[in-house]
Amino acid sequence: NAGVTQTPKFQVLKTGQSMTLQCAQDMNHEYMSWYRQDPGMGLRLIHYSVGAGITDQGEVPNGYNVSRSTTEDFPLRLLSAAPSQTSVYFCASDSTGTSGRETQYFGPGTRLLVL
Amino acid sequence: DAKTTQPPSMDCAEGRAANLPCNHSTISGNEYVYWYRQIHSQGPQYIIHGLKNNETNEMASLIITEDRKSSTLILPHATLRDTAVYYCIVRYEETSGSRLTFGEGTQLTVNP
Repeated sequence: NAGVTQTPKFQVLKTGQSMTLQCAQDMNHEYMSWYRQDPGMGLRLIHYSVGAGITDQGEVPNGYNVSRSTTEDFPLRLLSAAPSQTSVYFCASDSTGTSGRETQYFGPGTRLLVL
Repeated sequence: DAKTTQPPSMDCAEGRAANLPCNHSTISGNEYVYWYRQIHSQGPQYIIHGLKNNETNEMASLIITEDRKSSTLILPHATLRDTAVYYCIVRYEETSGSRLTFGEGTQLTVNP
């Protein structure tokens, strides 16, 4: 298993540009999430999905869109990049279940710089 | 969801046990305590989790107090590669799915 993969690893954007961060997992996990991490801070949840066709907002959703057309893929779209979106973005997945018995697996991250 | 409180930093000598504390005084009965760590801004790595009983795996031990208001992560023989930020997380769960709420964690530095 490759686990959770993310592309690209690094990206530089100009203000106003749009782009899509890719995330894929091969563990047949239903739950997938996107987090951002700013320097010296913990991760903050952007959007998450509990299965194909179902998405919901996290703590900091503004400026980002997601979709979940397949179980494997969960892309994150920046509609119009802003310098405040400069961050490291992590994708995560975990299996279905109840009562917090499952663990989340994280991808290696995408480092985004918006000029 | 329950909040957690951790010291911002700790030091440990290589080969000694590292004991990382966490307070979660508002934890509810069906919330689990999770520990993750993050090395050099890599993706967070799962370490261990528990509900009431103490837990042990190949990486660490988790000691949860009887009232569940605090816990301690124990790395029995810390190595230089254990230097990382350690996050104590209470797993928030709602009907539409579960998610993790990260705090700022504890920067553990293992010294030679």
